Amino acid sequence: RKEVEQDPGPFNVPEGATVAFNCTYSNSASQSFFWYRQDCRKEPKLLMSVYSSGNEDGRFTAQLNRASQYISLLIRDSKLSDSATYLCVVNEAGTYKYIFGTGTRLKVLA
Amino acid sequence: ETGVTQTPRHLVMGMTNKKSLKCEQHLGHNAMYWYKQSAKKPLELMFVYNFKEQTENNSVPSRFSPECPNSSHLFLHLHTLQPEDSALYLCASSQDQGDYEQYFGPGTRLTVT
Repeated sequence: RKEVEQDPGPFNVPEGATVAFNCTYSNSASQSFFWYRQDCRKEPKLLMSVYSSGNEDGRFTAQLNRASQYISLLIRDSKLSDSATYLCVVNEAGTYKYIFGTGTRLKVLA
Repeated sequence: ETGVTQTPRHLVMGMTNKKSLKCEQHLGHNAMYWYKQSAKKPLELMFVYNFKEQTENNSVPSRFSPECPNSSHLFLHLHTLQPEDSALYLCASSQDQGDYEQYFGPGTRLTVT
């Protein structure tokens, strides 16, 4: 089983749609969780950290489910500019080891 | 955004060449990282430095040699690379380990011919 698993997609959604991605992780000792977005041929950019209580930033909501070992990202009212690959990142407690998923590709269509 | 810079942005080198990649962070962070990103693969952690000391070497071949002269600068020295080493090499930094977000440089796209 991969340490961090994501559905590669692509998810093709119309503008204004709501879309959700999940990411599962295998190490129950994982402590910190992040979502990054990566545009084609660019570097990953931090979208948001994921807190135990869940957190929201504008149209983006992140949730953590420790019991089932997954995190989720919800994007409401999708914009064309949201088209990118969304990377799930998990950090092992007490280490510098950040494990990246392969990413979920999102295409928002006009 | 110029928090983490990398040079060169593109590099083509032969298998017998020696070259170096440079990374500089202007964020006052303590930890710096080298990652490799190949097509359709997740980012692979190569090296980690914390306060200039190497804390992680993720079984990287010796043809990749990191150097961290201070907490703001990180180098990756390359020699006798193979074509399969062609990839995007990303530098990142974070305040410290664990709970802290990483910030990435724009990367160096390396092609080994």
